Amino acid sequence: DGGITQSPKYLFRKEGQNVTLSCEQNLNHDAMYWYRQDPGQGLRLIYYSQIVNDFQKGDIAEGYSVSREKKESFPLTVTSAQKNPTAFYLCASSMPGHKPTDTQYFGPGTRLTVL
Amino acid sequence: GIQVEQSPPDLILQEGANSTLRCNFSDSVNNLQWFHQNPWGQLINLFYIPSGTKQNGRLSATTVATERYSLLYISSSQTTDSGVYFCGTSYGKLTFGQGTILTVHP
Repeated sequence: DGGITQSPKYLFRKEGQNVTLSCEQNLNHDAMYWYRQDPGQGLRLIYYSQIVNDFQKGDIAEGYSVSREKKESFPLTVTSAQKNPTAFYLCASSMPGHKPTDTQYFGPGTRLTVL
Repeated sequence: GIQVEQSPPDLILQEGANSTLRCNFSDSVNNLQWFHQNPWGQLINLFYIPSGTKQNGRLSATTVATERYSLLYISSSQTTDSGVYFCGTSYGKLTFGQGTILTVHP
């Protein structure tokens, strides 16, 4: 089946540790995105990548890092510099410029809790 | 950047009722999407609708781009419609509203 997978579903981290969240897609989409969602809030863009080996900061990139070495993979690292990392993280992908497939498709999310 | 406002923030309905959710945006856009977030957090695409009207079963959406708003209509609501409804709009990157929390009681 085509789709977007995220792992793990739940992640617990001690303060001061870096953690990496996985996002994989087999939709052959060029663009991938990472969002953060806090309780009762909308989604905020962390990083996005429109093509392999290229990515741009979103609205709240501080304390996060990404890589895009393969088209199907866009891992997000939450570093110790992120002061309030507890949140729900959502990955999405799209095929920009190919309407209506500008539509973004979302993975099931990873819930990160800092202990 | 683009500002997106959704209303109402909360909506409680009895099963079978109809409802209208609104999304206002502050600038010209070339992309508007409606999503439903289920209780497990999964976002499901409902409509890609930068302009015009679309219908899918009990749901329909209308975007009036010149007046910078979009409406999502839910008819004959069911308990499974409960969740959070987001609109996202962009000229490039998606910006999301804060969402409308819909609760449908049996």
